[in-house]
Amino acid sequence: GAVVSQHPSRVICKSGTSVKIECRSLDFQATTMFWYRQFPKQSLMLMATSNEGSKATYEQGVEKDKFLINHASLTLSTLTVTSAHPEDSSFYICSARDGARGVGYTFGSGTRLTVV
Amino acid sequence: GQQLNQSPQSMFIQEGEDVSMNCTSSSIFNTWLWYKQDPGEGPVLLIALYKAGELTSNGRLTAQFGITRKDSFLNISASIPSDVGIYFCAGTSGNTPLVFGKGTRLSVIA
Repeated sequence: GAVVSQHPSRVICKSGTSVKIECRSLDFQATTMFWYRQFPKQSLMLMATSNEGSKATYEQGVEKDKFLINHASLTLSTLTVTSAHPEDSSFYICSARDGARGVGYTFGSGTRLTVV
Repeated sequence: GQQLNQSPQSMFIQEGEDVSMNCTSSSIFNTWLWYKQDPGEGPVLLIALYKAGELTSNGRLTAQFGITRKDSFLNISASIPSDVGIYFCAGTSGNTPLVFGKGTRLSVIA
């Protein structure tokens, strides 16, 4: 089945630094990648949608200059949290979809970001 | 963002009991998905539904896509301790991003 690899699984960083999270589709081409954020005991909230080779579309309230998304290839998307602050601490999850084959919405295992 | 109405919010059941949870939406979807999420992990797809009225099983799990295309339910039969986790429904129309329910937290008492 479709597999999405996300890493790191956990990262602790100092306030003011940047963190990059990678998401790879291992056995299919991810024409679209979705990035979600999840706070404890809450549902997944969509941050942005990216199509390969295009600029990401951000949801309302999500700062595009703070959460940089790159989807330069059909198998890799990255989310960079720039100048991280403690309030950015959260669980970040990617999801990949191959629109051409209808392979849809496979999730990575998530990244627990803690900003200290 | 938009969310689905998922209920119940949490359930405490005895091992061996059956479980039922459902989702409703004000919008029509053409795909309903049910996921399970364990602590510290990403959601794992349990069942995908693509047609109104469709009833699909995956082992002890059964899910149905409502006729109105605005609702779906998930049943788990003969629950076991490893069923513990958070279950999310999600819907989409075409290529739109998934819209998630708030989740049902399932606890199984042995």
